[in-house]
Amino acid sequence: AQSVTQPDIHITVSEGASLELRCNYSYGATPYLFWYVQSPGQGLQLLLKYFSGDTLVQGIKGFEAEFKRSQSSFNLRKPSVHWSDAAEYFCAVGASSNTGKLIFGQGTTLQVKP
Amino acid sequence: SAVISQKPSRDICQRGTSLTIQCQVDSQVTMMFWYRQQPGQSLTLIATANQGSEATYESGFVIDKFPISRPNLTFSTLTVSNMSPEDSSIYLCSVEAANTGELFFGEGSRLTVL
Repeated sequence: AQSVTQPDIHITVSEGASLELRCNYSYGATPYLFWYVQSPGQGLQLLLKYFSGDTLVQGIKGFEAEFKRSQSSFNLRKPSVHWSDAAEYFCAVGASSNTGKLIFGQGTTLQVKP
Repeated sequence: SAVISQKPSRDICQRGTSLTIQCQVDSQVTMMFWYRQQPGQSLTLIATANQGSEATYESGFVIDKFPISRPNLTFSTLTVSNMSPEDSSIYLCSVEAANTGELFFGEGSRLTVL
């Protein structure tokens, strides 16, 4: 069955520290992979996506993610976290285009300590 | 990108009543998608709304409970019928960027059913 697992429900890091949010997926075909961020009271915003090509993808707000097929992972990283990064982060996997059906992980809540 | 507006942004409803959520997109799109995010949970696709045809529902969701309209290429509504407290969720409208698999989301409609 297709699924996305975010093992960490809640993560707390200090401002300025590095961040890695884990995402593992189970998918029968070559997946499209996404990371979204949801700030309190806001909709979801796309941080980055992987479709093909270079396995290290750059996104907005200084985030990057690396696709590792052998590990079925797509972990999100940021070298230095800012207080404004506190939010909920969702990893998602989808098939090809024109389906609108993304399978989302349970989400990781990021808290940033001053 | 697409700008998606949803109304209402939030509402408190009584058990047994129905509420219609509106979704307006600033460009014409073939398919619109409705997702549900239950408290503390991830996002789950409810249905796909195509203009000029009946919506396609995912497993576990039925038209009687979540009737959808799609009168034109920029607008859709989702009705949550005969609500119970279990329907308390954020309902999100989304559209896909052309041929990319990337979804854009509205800010969501947060429903609380008492």
